[in-house]
This record gives sequence, C-alpha cells and structure tokens, in this order.
Amino acid sequence: GAGVSQSPSNKVTEKGKDVELRCDPISGHTALYWYRQSLGQGLEFLIYFQGNSAPDKSGLPSDRFSAERTGGSVSTLTIQRTQQEDSAVYLCASSLPRGSNEQFFGPGTRLTVL
Amino acid sequence: QKEVEQNSGPLSVPEGAIASLNCTYSDRGSQSFFWYRQYSGKSPELIMFIYSNGDKEDGRFTAQLNKASQYVSLLIRDSQPSDSATYLCAVRGGNTPLVFGKGTRLSVIA
Repeated sequence: GAGVSQSPSNKVTEKGKDVELRCDPISGHTALYWYRQSLGQGLEFLIYFQGNSAPDKSGLPSDRFSAERTGGSVSTLTIQRTQQEDSAVYLCASSLPRGSNEQFFGPGTRLTVL
Repeated sequence: QKEVEQNSGPLSVPEGAIASLNCTYSDRGSQSFFWYRQYSGKSPELIMFIYSNGDKEDGRFTAQLNKASQYVSLLIRDSQPSDSATYLCAVRGGNTPLVFGKGTRLSVIA
C-alpha cells in the first residue's frame, strides 16, 4: 500500500516569500505529525493532529508557522515570510490512533531559503 | 523541557562486532521508547520499541530499558556495513508526541 507522501520534494524560495508544504498520510491513519530536521540535527516536533481534536501546536517556532488538516486527511504546513533559518527538511509522519507504536515517515520536503 | 540525550558519535565498530548505542531522557513520566534508523538523506524508520524494564530482542537488535536510571540502549549484534546510519532515540509520555534525540552516527567498518 501507499506510504506517507509529501510534496514538493525540494523547494527553493527567496527570503520573505511564503511556502506551502503538503503531506498525504497513510489512509486510515488519524494521527499526523510535522517535524523539522536541520542539517546534522535531530527531529524537532512542530505540530500534531489527532482526529477531530484541536491540534497540538506547542512545537511551532513562531507565528509565521501554521498548519491545517482538511477532512482528517491531507495536511498543509505554511511558512509565511520565510527566513534563512527556516531552511531544513520538513518531515511528516502518520500513525494509527492514540497509543499506536509506530509513526510512519514521509520522504520529507527539503526547504532552502536563499 | 523534556530532553533526550544521545552521544552524537561517530561510533565506529568493526564488522561482526556488537554496537552499543545509548540514550538518556529527562522526563520520568515517559512510557514508550523507540529506536529509529535514518540513512543519510532518507527518512527515519522504526527499528524497535520498548515499554517495560529489561531487554527486548528482535533478530540482531536488542533494546534495553532501565526506567530507574532513565536510560535506554540499543545493541546491534554481528554489525554489518549496511547498519551504518544515524540511530535516533525517541521517547513518549502517554499520548504526547515523540521527543527525539539528535541521534548517534554509527559506522561499521568492513
């Protein structure tokens, strides 16, 4: 079956522009996570969606970052007025409902802000 | 602030040896512990998870958990060059998102 997919795979943008990153979770997975991974660093949690519950936004680094999940499936992470420090790989993961052991990761979007 | 600490490495071991990867965590309420493997330029993939104190074995991999010491480790027996990757420790308390360490880079030398 299909895994988690993300688009675009690579995005180069200019400082100050807005970008949108898309994640398609595995069908039936109600939990969806966004992480950011800078070069040589671990995964930094950004935001977590679980079903129809209010998302956990505690990891968003600033108000320039936002995310939504439409219809309990596809999610879009938006970064407004991008800065050079936003350059990183943005990873999406999905899992079955609460208590599930495994998060399945997508291939990531590599964002470069010039 | 929940923290997960790992030695960044690189940890170099000869082919066939046992690789030992260690991780400590700060939140005593943590309930679930995970080891992910991440090849360069790829996404993390789950190797093992452990909930209870003691050892859990799966093939060449053994996860060890000591909640009193807030310590979790991963042993890789008969290490192969294909095991060369970054190993990420992740910890979760209840239904909270995973908190990841920065990873340990393992290099298995043929």
